[in-house]
Amino acid sequence: NAGVTQTPKFRILKIGQSMTLQCTQDMNHNYMYWYRQDPGMGLKLIYYSVGAGITDKGEVPNGYNVSRSTTEDFPLRLELAAPSQTSVYFCASSYLADRYPQYFGPGTRLTVL
Amino acid sequence: TQLLEQSPQFLSIQEGENLTVYCNSSSVFSSLQWYRQEPGEGPVLLVTVVTGGEVKKLKRLTFQFGDARKDSSLHITAAQPGDTGLYLCAGPLISSGSARQLTFGSGTQLTVLP
Repeated sequence: NAGVTQTPKFRILKIGQSMTLQCTQDMNHNYMYWYRQDPGMGLKLIYYSVGAGITDKGEVPNGYNVSRSTTEDFPLRLELAAPSQTSVYFCASSYLADRYPQYFGPGTRLTVL
Repeated sequence: TQLLEQSPQFLSIQEGENLTVYCNSSSVFSSLQWYRQEPGEGPVLLVTVVTGGEVKKLKRLTFQFGDARKDSSLHITAAQPGDTGLYLCAGPLISSGSARQLTFGSGTQLTVLP
């Protein structure tokens, strides 16, 4: 099993550009999450999904959109990139929520200039 | 407002020393998880504690969940350079009667010097 995979690993965007961060898991997990991690901070939840076709906002959803058309894929869309979106983005998945472990991808480091 | 406060934020020690890091909250959690994150990688789960007063051991790492389920600690005995990393605690947030999200503390960055 590859677990959770994310592409790209690194990306530099100009202000106002758009991009999609890809996330795929092969563990047949119901739950998937997108987090951002800023220096010296923990993980902030952007969006999450409890199954195909169902998504919900997390703590910091502004400037982002998601979709979940399949169990495996959970792409994160950035529209009109801003310098405040410079961060490391992590995708994660879990079988269920609450005390079930989350499995994280290797992250995407995004810089907006 | 950070629901989970971790301390210290940074810790640098020599190989062989013991250390304890803390995760505190004013809220009660049904469970708490500890993750370790190495540079350039995603967090990896170390342990989940679910019962107040519970103690779990993972080789040289000892995890404790407070009796009131508001706090947790991680004690490392005889630290090694391989223990270097960011240690994160996380707990489920209850909304609309279900726990669908984890809230994370800001982490303790541990450096173990050889």
